[in-house]
Amino acid sequence: ILNVEQSPQSLHVQEGDSTNFTCSFPSSNFYALHWYRWETAKSPEALFVMTLNGDEKKKGRISATLNTKEGYSYLYIKGSQPEDSATYLCAFPNYGGSQGNLIFGKGTKLSVKP
Amino acid sequence: ETGVTQSPTHLIKTRGQQVTLRCSSQSGHNTVSWYQQALGQGPQFIFQYYREEENGRGNFPPRFSGLQFPNYSSELNVNALELDDSALYLCASSPGINEQFFGPGTRLTVL
Repeated sequence: ILNVEQSPQSLHVQEGDSTNFTCSFPSSNFYALHWYRWETAKSPEALFVMTLNGDEKKKGRISATLNTKEGYSYLYIKGSQPEDSATYLCAFPNYGGSQGNLIFGKGTKLSVKP
Repeated sequence: ETGVTQSPTHLIKTRGQQVTLRCSSQSGHNTVSWYQQALGQGPQFIFQYYREEENGRGNFPPRFSGLQFPNYSSELNVNALELDDSALYLCASSPGINEQFFGPGTRLTVL
């Protein structure tokens, strides 16, 4: 059974703090890793799709790294702002069956205090 | 804005009833997937449709069924509702592998 783990479960930081969280996934049969940002009452928004070992992607103050050999990805937020408050989900596509259904972690809920 | 919409936003049903949830995908997206997010869990894959045919299913019983229509809309039907079916239901449309665009979800409460 494929399992995706995220830590920590929740995080409370002050505005301006930098923060990071972890996603662990099966290192065998790797295809891609997805990061999503999900604000309450909105649609999950795709941040990154990472495919290559050693990949590093950046979008504004948010960046992510990927290590497929050891099965983990880090998401970093530099200088957190209140608008970064959201749940951050990572997901691993399962190509064993359908056209890549996603297996999600439980998410890291980030709260940024002004 | 992903362009994927879902209706209704919220729904309350009683145990044993049937429910239909709707999703409108982006034009050109031939694949739609449905996920269930129970409290404290990540979204779990229910099933996927590609060009109106079921194309994969997660660990959900047959009382969860779906339809996909040529106009890029789709439905999730749940029969004989149970209390544990209370959850947020998300649909996601996809133009191909490695991209899924999610709707905001339908919150179903079963009493």
